[in-house]
Amino acid sequence: QSILTQPPSVSAAPGQKVSIPCSGTSSTIGNNYVSWYQQVPGTAPKLLIYDDNKRPSGIGDRFSASKSGTSATLDITGLQTGDEADYYCETWDSSLSARVFGGGTYLTVL
Amino acid sequence: QVQQQQWGAGLLKPSETLSLTCDVYGGSLTGFFQTWIRQSPGRGLEWLGEIDQSGSISYNPALKSRVTMSADTSKNQFSMKLKSLTAADTGVYYCARGSDYYMEVWGKGTTVTVSS
Repeated sequence: QSILTQPPSVSAAPGQKVSIPCSGTSSTIGNNYVSWYQQVPGTAPKLLIYDDNKRPSGIGDRFSASKSGTSATLDITGLQTGDEADYYCETWDSSLSARVFGGGTYLTVL
Repeated sequence: QVQQQQWGAGLLKPSETLSLTCDVYGGSLTGFFQTWIRQSPGRGLEWLGEIDQSGSISYNPALKSRVTMSADTSKNQFSMKLKSLTAADTGVYYCARGSDYYMEVWGKGTTVTVSS
């Protein structure tokens, strides 16, 4: 069981918006930056969001994220079939002194 | 553009030691965190440890007794060893470069199978 909680799957239609939640605690999300990664099956994870809500160069503005208290959310708008992938949240766990990941959420674009 | 190429043996027996190395191209080790992560169906993504900009090393407490990491700035590469392997160590191992808050550049991954 992962330290950060994500739903196993979400789905939405092309062109729509989807939100992927990530729940933690005060030792994790509540007091540390959150990152989000996209992983297409068979490939390495790719950084989508860092420092809670910043996008690396090359990541489009269809991807955005927010954080409130001990939860974080990744939003993807204008869904495309190419967005089908696993999405992981990640942060530092101050109690464990370790980076921790969510269990991942698979996005299906119907 | 920075790329990372990782290499090492992929098929090992129980009790053996896994050795992986990550070569960094198009950028320097200096000024960045160098991180190792693994992924398995049973445990998802798991942080193994990292070397920070100053050379300080942090390990996952759950693996601390078995893992060793090092960096060679002259060769622009960093390495990891995991000893006393069991089947539970089977998975895909990644090297990554970033900061203390995120991992920006990932290697393609090395599939490691531990089996007798």
